[in-house]
Amino acid sequence: AQTVTQSQPEMSVQEAETVTLSCTYDTSENNYYLFWYKQPPSRQMILVIRQEAYKQQNATENRFSVNFQKAAKSFSLKISDSQLGDTAMYFCALDDSGAGSYQLTFGKGTKLSVIP
Amino acid sequence: DTAVSQTPKYLVTQMGNDKSIKCEQNLGHDTMYWYKQDSKKFLKIMFSYNNKELIINETVPNRFSPKSPDKAHLNLHINSLELGDSAVYFCASSLGLRGEQYFGPGTRLTVT
Repeated sequence: AQTVTQSQPEMSVQEAETVTLSCTYDTSENNYYLFWYKQPPSRQMILVIRQEAYKQQNATENRFSVNFQKAAKSFSLKISDSQLGDTAMYFCALDDSGAGSYQLTFGKGTKLSVIP
Repeated sequence: DTAVSQTPKYLVTQMGNDKSIKCEQNLGHDTMYWYKQDSKKFLKIMFSYNNKELIINETVPNRFSPKSPDKAHLNLHINSLELGDSAVYFCASSLGLRGEQYFGPGTRLTVT
């Protein structure tokens, strides 16, 4: 069964600093997608970044970047120049639909607080 | 021009009642989902529809019945509501059976 583990329930970072959120996953598929979603207090689930497993290059979206280590099954999210608006729950998610699951499997989330 | 919308956003009801949550997407996607987020923020898939056909039906009580009248809509009807049904319910959609999913704003259901 596919699993996604986020080992940091809560983290905090000073405004303008850099923070890294960890995620490990397990899948027997070779072709899969990984995502980070952000859920601010407004409750909306917002897609932050995606990574296709077949791509070796790490995805980047403005201040957000990932460190994708396929062999280690690790997918961490780095937030640079943290802003107050980055305060949110962050969820790592795996789509390995090749296994026939056709769903996203989410980790339990990391609550990030950006401190002024 | 909301991409995925849900109504209502808040729903407070008593045990034993029947209620529905509606979801609509205007992204042209062909796959739609219902997720449940519990009080600990854990998100779990409930149902998935592709081109109006049910493709995922996780272990959910049969009091929950999804209905997809067309590819742009996926509604969730819940019979005989129980206290444990209190949660936030998210609708989502995607193009095809995999890839990123776009979420609605969620419906907070409170059963008293």
